[in-house]
Amino acid sequence: GAVVSQHPSRVICKSGTSVKIECRSLDFQATTMFWYRQFPKQSLMLMATSNEGSKATYEQGVEKDKFLINHASLTLSTLTVTSAHPEDSSFYICSASQAGGSSYNEQFFGPGTRLTVL
Amino acid sequence: KNQVEQSPQSLIILEGKNCTLQCNYTVSPFSNLRWYKQDTGRGPVSLTIMTFSENTKSNGRYTATLDADTKQSSLHITASQLSDSASYICVVSAYDYKLSFGAGTTVTVRA
Repeated sequence: GAVVSQHPSRVICKSGTSVKIECRSLDFQATTMFWYRQFPKQSLMLMATSNEGSKATYEQGVEKDKFLINHASLTLSTLTVTSAHPEDSSFYICSASQAGGSSYNEQFFGPGTRLTVL
Repeated sequence: KNQVEQSPQSLIILEGKNCTLQCNYTVSPFSNLRWYKQDTGRGPVSLTIMTFSENTKSNGRYTATLDADTKQSSLHITASQLSDSASYICVVSAYDYKLSFGAGTTVTVRA
């Protein structure tokens, strides 16, 4: 149980285009989903937290107009990188917390999406 | 500022040998500490989760320890296998559920 999927797993796009990444909780309802970015040989950095049906909360330094997050249902959140540039190339990972889950409030991570902007 | 420091940054071990990874943290108030395994190009997978009152927890060949007084944790890998080659990340959760990530230790197991 507690499986999180991401799609696509890898995407290459031209500079200036927008890219949408989907994050789905496959076998549980996720009230909260998180989006992380990971650069090579670095740890995960939280970008934003999204709760179903409400606006996402962005971490300091993350542009909300550039990284659009939608959490329209309890099983789906999307991250759209608008007008992508080469510096946006990174590994994007989502995670989800289960509604009514354990006291650990455990986050289950997706497999990640490798974005390369040419 | 909540911090999580891991050591060593990387290590190479021979298949079948044991190794121990270290994690020191300053996160407060402390809720729980987790160890994750992250294969290259994949998302992190949980190995263990420990709360304040737990000193040790095992998951197969992985054994984590926690000393909440000194704010230190370790992850011991027993009888390493080639598939253990990965990055191991120490993650500490505060009571506001914000996660603080260590930079990870890259383990390479060689035949």
